[in-house]
Amino acid sequence: SQQGEEDPQALSIQEGENATMNCSYKTSINNLQWYRQNSGRGLVHLILIRSNEREKHSGRLRVTLDTSKKSSSLLITASRAADTASYFCATALDNSYNFNKFYFGSGTKLNVKP
Amino acid sequence: DGGITQSPKYLFRKEGQNVTLSCEQNLNHDAMYWYRQDPGQGLRLIYYSQIVNDFQKGDIAEGYSVSREKKESFPLTVTSAQKNPTAFYLCASSISHLAGDNQPQHFGDGTRLSIL
Repeated sequence: SQQGEEDPQALSIQEGENATMNCSYKTSINNLQWYRQNSGRGLVHLILIRSNEREKHSGRLRVTLDTSKKSSSLLITASRAADTASYFCATALDNSYNFNKFYFGSGTKLNVKP
Repeated sequence: DGGITQSPKYLFRKEGQNVTLSCEQNLNHDAMYWYRQDPGQGLRLIYYSQIVNDFQKGDIAEGYSVSREKKESFPLTVTSAQKNPTAFYLCASSISHLAGDNQPQHFGDGTRLSIL
């Protein structure tokens, strides 16, 4: 399937450290997006990177995309306890006429200890 | 503030009962989606709608039904045919239904459905 898969499944770090999570996928994509989900809540969109982009920044977030390896990484710098959440990558197929369907991975559960 | 409202937050279903989950958006988005999330899992697409009066089955549509009579509303009915309905249900919307437009999805806060 096209489904993105995050790695690691769980990550525990101290406040102030950087957190890196990875996402791999199987077929060509139009774009890749990262979402955050706090416990018991909906998903919040963090950042979108298009297939022709290699790196993107937003505040303390840095996303990279390597289409040759079909992988992406999300780096959260100087983490805070409030960053504790599950993080999901979602891929959109490489077809501009295709319905905007996303394939979500099972997420990385990040715990930032104060 | 614009957003997506899901109700109720918690819902309990008896055997043989149909239940309806509400999803309303005031973002003026064309596309709307329903996902199911099981513990420790990613999201699986149940149904989606690209425009009013149109909807399509997603990957796990069996035992579910939807309607899209108004642009802002996309209710999901979990029928008695859905034998394992216990899950967290998420509604989402996006400006456009086209992947090439590179638009994110906006999510509601979910409805947790359990069996009595």
